Amino acid sequence: AQSVAQPEDQVNVAEGNPLTVKCTYSVSGNPYLFWYVQYPNRGLQFLLKYITGDNLVKGSYGFEAEFNKSQTSFHLKKPSALVSDSALYFCAVRDVGGRLAFGKGNQVVVIP
Amino acid sequence: DTGVSQDPRHKITKRGQNVTFRCDPISEHNRLYWYRQTLGQGPEFLTYFQNEAQLEKSRLLSDRFSAERPKGSFSTLEIQRTEQGDSAMYLCASSPSGDSEKLFFGSGTQLSVL
Repeated sequence: AQSVAQPEDQVNVAEGNPLTVKCTYSVSGNPYLFWYVQYPNRGLQFLLKYITGDNLVKGSYGFEAEFNKSQTSFHLKKPSALVSDSALYFCAVRDVGGRLAFGKGNQVVVIP
Repeated sequence: DTGVSQDPRHKITKRGQNVTFRCDPISEHNRLYWYRQTLGQGPEFLTYFQNEAQLEKSRLLSDRFSAERPKGSFSTLEIQRTEQGDSAMYLCASSPSGDSEKLFFGSGTQLSVL
């Protein structure tokens, strides 16, 4: 089965600094990769996806992700973090049958 | 609000009781998914429907769990003879046929089994 790993539990970053949330994947074949964000008391929201093409994918709220095949990584990035970016971030990969397999999530805390 | 809605938001029940959750997807979406999420973990796939057909069920879905989507619109998830290990957030999501991996999630139903 396809899977993703998010090695960090929590990422702390000062407001205005670059934000990176790490994700590595394990797949057979070409990966379809995704990032979702979960704000408190809200449902998960789609941020971006990589299917094929350009390794740098741009998404919602100023986020982007870089696909790196040699490192089997799909890290989420934002050049300048906002306090409102504090949330839970999930990396996901398309699994058999089209369902998504999610990582355990990373709590991002942006410090004012 | 035209998003995915789930009812109830919270459910507290005693072990051994049956519970039923409802999900209303975005109206034009033909795919509907159920996931389960526990604290500190990502959502785990349970089952999904394309229109009224249930196409896949996870091994996580024991015989005590049943899901339906009778007219291809709303869906229900029933858990019979609940156990404490069933305590979790149950998430529903829907997606359009043209972009099936872009899931739109509801806020979930938090189940606590005492």
